[in-house]
Amino acid sequence: KQEVTQIPAALSVPEGENLVLNCSFTDSAIYNLQWFRQDPGKGLTSLLLIQSSQREQTSGRLNASLDKSSGRSTLYIAASQPGDSATYLCAVRPGSSNTGKLIFGQGTTLQVKP
Amino acid sequence: NAGVTQTPKFQVLKTGQSMTLQCAQDMNHEYMSWYRQDPGMGLRLIHYSVGAGITDQGEVPNGYNVSRSTTEDFPLRLLSAAPSQTSVYFCASSPKRFTAGYTFGSGTRLTVV
Repeated sequence: KQEVTQIPAALSVPEGENLVLNCSFTDSAIYNLQWFRQDPGKGLTSLLLIQSSQREQTSGRLNASLDKSSGRSTLYIAASQPGDSATYLCAVRPGSSNTGKLIFGQGTTLQVKP
Repeated sequence: NAGVTQTPKFQVLKTGQSMTLQCAQDMNHEYMSWYRQDPGMGLRLIHYSVGAGITDQGEVPNGYNVSRSTTEDFPLRLLSAAPSQTSVYFCASSPKRFTAGYTFGSGTRLTVV
């Protein structure tokens, strides 16, 4: 059974720091991995989608890497800003069936202090 | 704007009442699904659909019913609400191809008293 884990559960950093959020999954048979951002009381906004054949994807100050063989992904945020404060979720699309289901991690809640 | 639309945004129900959470997408996506989000439990799949007329159960289907008569709509029905169904509900959609990502709605916050 695919399980997704995100560490740490919470992170507090001063503004300007570069930071890394971690996501690990137990079954390497995935189609892709998607990183989402969730602001308090809001929905999920897709940040980056990285395919199983890719090593990384970049969007602005965000960079996501994927090492499928080791079951790990990282989300790198450069030069963090208070507006980056949110919960970050990773989700894998399992490759074991054609159902389109997503398996989510519990999320990392990030606070960037001015 | 193209996307996933959920209604209502907030709802309070009494135990035993029934209601339908609406979800519509205008992107012609084949796959649609419902998740609930609870503190400490993360997002859990309730029901999903791979196309009109085809639905299946997810991880936590008990107490919920779905149908998919059109590609665009995927309503979630609570048959007899219970306090344990107090949660935030998200609808999501995706194209059928395996390389696609998911788009989520803004959620429905449901309280059962």
